[in-house]
Amino acid sequence: GAVVSQHPSWVICKSGTSVKIECRSLDFQATTMFWYRQFPKQSLMLMATSNEGSKATYEQGVEKDKFLINHASLTLSTLTVTSAHPEDSSFYICSARNPLAAYEQYFGPGTRLTVT
Amino acid sequence: RKEVEQDPGPFNVPEGATVAFNCTYSNSASQSFFWYRQDCRKEPKLLMSVYSSGNEDGRFTAQLNRASQYISLLIRDSKLSDSATYLCVVNEMTTDSWGKLQFGAGTQVVVTP
Repeated sequence: GAVVSQHPSWVICKSGTSVKIECRSLDFQATTMFWYRQFPKQSLMLMATSNEGSKATYEQGVEKDKFLINHASLTLSTLTVTSAHPEDSSFYICSARNPLAAYEQYFGPGTRLTVT
Repeated sequence: RKEVEQDPGPFNVPEGATVAFNCTYSNSASQSFFWYRQDCRKEPKLLMSVYSSGNEDGRFTAQLNRASQYISLLIRDSKLSDSATYLCVVNEMTTDSWGKLQFGAGTQVVVTP
């Protein structure tokens, strides 16, 4: 089946630094990828929709200047958390839309970010 | 009001027993429905899609009630490996037609020996 990878799987950084998370679709081309965030015991919250070759669409309340998304190719989207703060500590998960099965998404394994 | 609501549980189920739980959604225009399974500190994995006529996949049965806007999941002959959080996921058609997924917070199931 389709595989989506994320890197890194976990990262610890100091407050004020920036962290880049990569999301790759390994065996299919994904024109659309999604970035989610999940806090403990809460549901996944969509942060933004990443479109290859164009600007990402951010959900209400998500700061686009803080969470930079780049979808430079059909297999790679990156999320950069700029000037990270402890409240940004969360589980970040990307997904890629299955181009052959409407509305199915394949999820990456997630990146656990801890900001100290 | 949340778009997708689930009983958080936990549902403690003896091995071999049957467990069922529901999820309600608020947007009557929702088009597609799914159950995902999420293990602790892992990504969600698609368990099954939910069709209007109801569908079964092995020990798992999903049903959709559009009139009452809920979907259900039933697990028969529970296995220890079924212990997980089950996420109800609804696809809403939006003007941009990308079909955003709305996730419930999940129902925790704990199968005990």
